[in-house]
Parts: sequence; structure tokens; C-alpha cells
Amino acid sequence: DTAVSQTPKYLVTQMGNDKSIKCEQNLGHDTMYWYKQDSKKFLKIMFSYNNKELIINETVPNRFSPKSPDKAHLNLHINSLELGDSAVYFCASSQTKSRPRYTFGSGTRLTVV
Amino acid sequence: AQKVTQAQTEISVVEKEDVTLDCVYETRDTTYYLFWYKQPPSGELVFLIRRNSFDEQNEISGRYSWNFQKSTSSFNFTITASQVVDSAVYFCALSEASGTYKYIFGTGTRLKVLA
Repeated sequence: DTAVSQTPKYLVTQMGNDKSIKCEQNLGHDTMYWYKQDSKKFLKIMFSYNNKELIINETVPNRFSPKSPDKAHLNLHINSLELGDSAVYFCASSQTKSRPRYTFGSGTRLTVV
Repeated sequence: AQKVTQAQTEISVVEKEDVTLDCVYETRDTTYYLFWYKQPPSGELVFLIRRNSFDEQNEISGRYSWNFQKSTSSFNFTITASQVVDSAVYFCALSEASGTYKYIFGTGTRLKVLA
């Protein structure tokens, strides 16, 4: 069983479209994160939810909106996609106080054409 | 502000050589965590080690070893007798020990091990 699963693994879409990436964890963790890895491999936090509450909202365009329907799920919706949104998006989860160590999903490679 | 610096962008070694990847961090927190992750060509992020700030004991795991020096704010990673399968991008990361626990990643070091 995959601990942190992201879908889809690859996403190719045209500029201007709206798309969503889904993330689910079966580890019972209380916190989930979205990270963006750009073409130079730089990893930067975007959002984090703890028990469905938004606790990190970095400087990210309003076109990006996270949603956490429950502790085990964190989705990322992107409106009006731009070329610069092309990147690998990683979901991660952790049990913050007892075991602050991320388990990462395998990533979603988003290509905007 | 927290910061992680991996000054080595890319390192190439020949198989069986030892190689050390440097990591220097900045934080005002007295309690924090440090991590190393490996990202092989397949793209996933693989956890290697976590170290908390009050435990300066060095660690060895097989061919891997880590040297944590609080006095110089460094957490270096050494691979002994490198193998081609060690070729990957290696990331050092820093996390606060409370609050959001967000990671601040270094820019990564690409290691190429040549046969």
C-alpha cells in the first residue's frame, strides 16, 4: 500500500486551463504539505494543512488553491494555468509532534504548453 | 530567517571513491531538525536521516555517515566507496521543532558516480 499517493503522476495541459492534483495519505498523519520543485530542482513550500486547518500559505499566486476535505486528503487546484507553473509538485505528510519527518508522494509532473 | 546552503552544485567521482556533501544552515531557533534526502533519476524523494539539534552524535549507516557540528552550523554527509547507484541529487533540509515544522531545503547537490 502506497503511504502518500498523488494523482495524476503526469499532467500535460494547455495554458489557461484549470487542473487539480490529488493527494491521499494512509499513515494517519495530522499534517499535509504541498511543495513545488522547479526546473532547477529547487524545492519550496506552498501550503500546509494541520487537521484540515490551513497553517502555511506561502507567497503563491491566488490561482493556486488548496483544499483539505479531511485529514487524509489534500488537493491542489490551479486556475488559468501559465507556462511558469510547469514543475513537479510534491505532496508530503507528517505526524508533527511525535515524528516530524515528511513522507513524500512520488510527485506530479505538470507541463503547461 | 532560516537558510540552508549547499555550495556544491555538482560533484563527479569515480566509483569506489569517498565523497562528502556539504550542508551549512542558519537558524535562530535553539531546537530544530536537520535532514538529508536523496532524489534519484526516477524523481522520488527518499529520506536518509533526521538529526535533532540537541544530539550532536555522529552517525554511520553502512556506507553513509553524517557529521553534525553545531559550532559551525554544518551537517555534512559522506558516502564511502561510492557506487553508480549513489548517483542522485541530494538535499539537505532544516525544520523548526515546533509550529508548522516546514522544511527549508538547500538547493541540492548533484552527485555523479562514474563507473
